[in-house]
Amino acid sequence: KQEVTQIPAALSVPEGENLVLNCSFTDSAIYNLQWFRQDPGKGLTSLLLIQSSQREQTSGRLNASLDKSSGRSTLYIAASQPGDSATYLCAVRQITNAGGTSYGKLTFGQGTILTVHP
Amino acid sequence: EPEVTQTPSHQVTQMGQEVILRCVPISNHLYFYWYRQILGQKVEFLVSFYNNEISEKSEIFDDQFSVERPDGSNFTLKIRSTKLEDSAMYFCASSQRGLGGDQPQHFGDGTRLSIL
Repeated sequence: KQEVTQIPAALSVPEGENLVLNCSFTDSAIYNLQWFRQDPGKGLTSLLLIQSSQREQTSGRLNASLDKSSGRSTLYIAASQPGDSATYLCAVRQITNAGGTSYGKLTFGQGTILTVHP
Repeated sequence: EPEVTQTPSHQVTQMGQEVILRCVPISNHLYFYWYRQILGQKVEFLVSFYNNEISEKSEIFDDQFSVERPDGSNFTLKIRSTKLEDSAMYFCASSQRGLGGDQPQHFGDGTRLSIL
């Protein structure tokens, strides 16, 4: 059974710092890994999706890496801003589940609560 | 940018009552999903739906739950007889393709379901 873990659980940094959020998963048979942002009381906003064949994806100040064989991904946020404060979730999409082919089920980590203070 | 919309944003229901949560996925998407998030816990997969049938479901998705695409735009989750432990935020998501693995899932803002 796939387990996804995120470290740290919470992070508080001053504005302008570069930071790294970590995600690990136990089953490396994945299609892709997706990073989301969740604001309090809101839905999930997709930030980046990395295919299993890719090592890295970039969008603006965000860079996500994937090391499938070791079951790890990192989300790098450059020059953090107060508006980056949110919970960041990673989720993996597996190739198969116990019953056979998986049809898009995402397994989520518990998230990292990021606070960027001015 | 197209988005997934969910209604209502908050639903309060008495235990044992039926509840229907509604979602309008992004118009050219073909795969639809429901997830839930109990307060303070991880987001959990409930069900995926494609071509008018369930593709995959979790252990949570028992006989009390059902999904339907009654027309070309709506996607609904019905809980037949609600229990206290059904209280959670329910998220609908959609993607252009499920197999192939190269399309992100886009989520709505959720419906907060409170069972009294």
